[in-house]
Amino acid sequence: AQSVTQLDSQVPVFEEAPVELRCNYSSSVSVYLFWYVQYPNQGLQLLLKYLSGSTLVKGINGFEAEFNKSQTSFHLRKPSVHISDTAEYFCAVRGQNFVFGPGTRLSVLP
Amino acid sequence: NAGVTQTPKFRVLKTGQSMTLLCAQDMNHEYMYWYRQDPGMGLRLIHYSVGEGTTAKGEVPDGYNVSRLKKQNFLLGLESAAPSQTSVYFCASSYNARQGGHEQYFGPGTRLTVT
Repeated sequence: AQSVTQLDSQVPVFEEAPVELRCNYSSSVSVYLFWYVQYPNQGLQLLLKYLSGSTLVKGINGFEAEFNKSQTSFHLRKPSVHISDTAEYFCAVRGQNFVFGPGTRLSVLP
Repeated sequence: NAGVTQTPKFRVLKTGQSMTLLCAQDMNHEYMYWYRQDPGMGLRLIHYSVGEGTTAKGEVPDGYNVSRLKKQNFLLGLESAAPSQTSVYFCASSYNARQGGHEQYFGPGTRLTVT
């Protein structure tokens, strides 16, 4: 069975500051890893994914994530956030099944 | 290309009433999924389908039924709604893994309230 942990349920950060949203997973099989973003009253939109190859993955809107197999982590980062990045962010793992984490609410403050 | 669409967007039901949520996708995806989203719990899989005419139970299937009569449509039914089914429901679809389809594409959601 797989599981996904997002250690921070809420992350407030000031505009133009850097941010890191943490994701750890457990799985007995090889996995694919994803980050999704959900803006208020909308569905989920894919930010980026790791399937294989380079462990640093770049996504849309300036986000990137690094796959660390030994730490079983896939943390999401952005060097400078904007007000428009305020949203909920979900880490997800696909091994035998597709499993989502509980989400991290990012609030960007002016 | 509309992607994944869901009907209706909002609905209020009384306890015991029934309803069907419709999901449609125009991407020729094999796999389709129904999730519910509740505060602090992320997305939980209700049922899924790996092809036309096939369905399977997910993590929280009780109180729901599904049908996949056509490849592009995936219906979620509530036969006797309960307040515990108040939630936001999302449909998603994907290619199968053999086709390199790993990520899911989501619809805009249906907000259901059961009173």
